[in-house]
Amino acid sequence: RKEVEQDPGPFNVPEGATVAFNCTYSNSASQSFFWYRQDCRKEPKLLMSVYSSGNEDGRFTAQLNRASQYISLLIRDSKLSDSATYLCVVNTNGGYNKLIFGAGTRLAVHP
Amino acid sequence: GAVVSQHPSWVICKSGTSVKIECRSLDFQATTMFWYRQFPKQSLMLMATSNEGSKATYEQGVEKDKFLINHASLTLSTLTVTSAHPEDSSFYICSARDPGGGRGTGELFFGEGSRLTVL
Repeated sequence: RKEVEQDPGPFNVPEGATVAFNCTYSNSASQSFFWYRQDCRKEPKLLMSVYSSGNEDGRFTAQLNRASQYISLLIRDSKLSDSATYLCVVNTNGGYNKLIFGAGTRLAVHP
Repeated sequence: GAVVSQHPSWVICKSGTSVKIECRSLDFQATTMFWYRQFPKQSLMLMATSNEGSKATYEQGVEKDKFLINHASLTLSTLTVTSAHPEDSSFYICSARDPGGGRGTGELFFGEGSRLTVL
C-alpha cells in the first residue's frame, strides 16, 4: 500500500464549479500535512498547510481527519488558472524534514 | 521571497557519461537540501538529504555511488548522476527550507527541476 494515496483523476470541471480532492495516508504517526500544486513540467509549490481544525485560504479549504487518516481539499468557484496537479503531502517527523508525496490529482478547468 | 535555483533545466547526455546538477539557495542559507526524482505521472520520491559539511543521507534503494551528492557550502548542493543510463532519465528536483522565510512556517522551496534524458 502506498504511503499517500490520491485519486489520479483527471477531474474535468467547468469554470465556477466546486471540486473536492481526497487523500489518505497510511502512517498514523504523520504529523504535518500539506497540499502542493504542480503545473505541467514544473516544480511543486506550496498551496497550503492543513491544520487539525481545518483551514481556509480564499477559495481553498483544507480538512484533516486524523481518525480516518484522511485529508481533503475543496476548491470553490474554479478558475481556468486552477488547472494543475494537486499533490497531497505528509510528514512523519514534523516540519519539512521528510515529505512523502502522493502521485497527485489532476484538475482541468474548462470554459 | 526565497528562491531555490537549479541548473541545468534540461540535459541530454549519452549513456555512460556523468551529469552534474546544481541547486542553489539564492536568498538564504540552507544547511539541509533535499533531492527528489519524479518519473512521469508518478509522485516525487525523496532520493537523499544533503547536509552541509557532512555526508548525505540516502533513502533506501538509492545507490550512493551512482548519485553523488556534495553540499560544499550553505547555498550550494550538487547531484552528480554517474555513468548515466536510459533508466536514469527523469525529472530531478531539489528543495531547501528557509527557516525564517516563506509564510513564517519554514516553508520548503523547490528548484525549477532538471529534466535528464539519457540516450
